[in-house]
Formats: sequence, structure tokens, C-alpha cells
Amino acid sequence: KQEVTQIPAALSVPEGENLVLNCSFTDSAIYNLQWFRQDPGKGLTSLLLIQSSQREQTSGRLNASLDKSSGRSTLYIAASQPGDSATYLCAVRPSNTGKLIFGQGTTLQVKP
Amino acid sequence: DTAVSQTPKYLVTQMGNDKSIKCEQNLGHDTMYWYKQDSKKFLKIMFSYNNKELIINETVPNRFSPKSPDKAHLNLHINSLELGDSAVYFCASSQDWGGFGTQYFGPGTRLLVL
Repeated sequence: KQEVTQIPAALSVPEGENLVLNCSFTDSAIYNLQWFRQDPGKGLTSLLLIQSSQREQTSGRLNASLDKSSGRSTLYIAASQPGDSATYLCAVRPSNTGKLIFGQGTTLQVKP
Repeated sequence: DTAVSQTPKYLVTQMGNDKSIKCEQNLGHDTMYWYKQDSKKFLKIMFSYNNKELIINETVPNRFSPKSPDKAHLNLHINSLELGDSAVYFCASSQDWGGFGTQYFGPGTRLLVL
């Protein structure tokens, strides 16, 4: 049974810091892995999608990596800003199924 | 233009009532999903439809009945609401079933059962 874990559960950093969010999954048989952002009281916004054959994806100040064999992904945020404050969710899509299995998220606070 | 929309945004109701949540996507996707986010913010899939056909039915009480009248719509009807049904329900869609694309989420419906 696939399980997704995110560490840390919460993180508070001063503005301008680079930071790394971690995601681990127990079964390496995945189609892809997706990072989402959720703002309080809002829906999910997709940030980055990494296919199982890829090692990383980049979008602006965000970089996500995937090491399928070790069951790990990281989301790197460069030069963090207060507007980055949100909950970041990692989700894997197991092979042969369309559903996403989510971690419990990392709540990030970036202080001005 | 909203890609995935849900109505209502908020729903407050009494235990034992029956209620429905509606979802519509204008992305031309074939697959739609319902997820539940509990009080601990944990998101878990409930159902998935591909081209109006039920594909995923997780361990969900049969008080929950999804219906897909067409590819662009997926509704969720809940009978005999219980306190434990209080949660945020998210609708999502993707290009196709088992494909490699991104899932797009709606804004959520916040259900509170009193």
C-alpha cells in the first residue's frame, strides 16, 4: 500500500532564505509525482509535475527533484517571499491508476 | 474563466439531511474525481469517473453516490448526513484516465454537519 510522508509538518523561515521541503513514498511504482500549493480556505494549485522518467522540473524559483528508486522527492524554493506562505502538498500517482495519493503537507510561513 | 468549479462553496446542514454538491469542468477533460479533505487536512480520493463511467470507488459509505450526467459534470449526493461527513470536498479533473497529465482542482466545498 502506497504511503506518502512529508517532512517537516511545519516550517517558518525569514524572507530571502532558500528552503527544501521533503516528500517520501513507500512504493516506487509510480507514474508521476505532483507538488501542489494550498492557500488557507482555498483549493489546490498545481506547481510542478515530474514524470517517473524525469529527475527534476523547474518553474521560476521552484525546483522539484525525483529519486524514484529511493522513494523521495524534494521541492526547493529559492529566495523565499512572504507570498510563498501556504501549505505544500506532495502527491504520487501510482502506476495503472489515475488517483493521487497525498502526503499531509508542509505548512510554510515566510516572515518579512 | 474558472477551469473547475464547484457549488456551493459552503454548506451548513443538520444531521440526517440529504445534500448534493456539483462540479463542472470546462477543460474538455475525460476524467473527473472527488476527494475529501478531513479536519487534519489529509486529502483522500473518494471516486473517479472516466467518460461518465465509474472507475474508482474507494471505501466510501454507500450514503455517498456520485453521478456523472456528462463528461464535464460530476455531482456528489450524500444521504443521511453524519457529523463525520464534515470536511472539505474537492472536485478535480485530468485529461484522461491513467495518463500522465496534471490534475486540476476546484476551489472546494466546505461542508459542516451540525
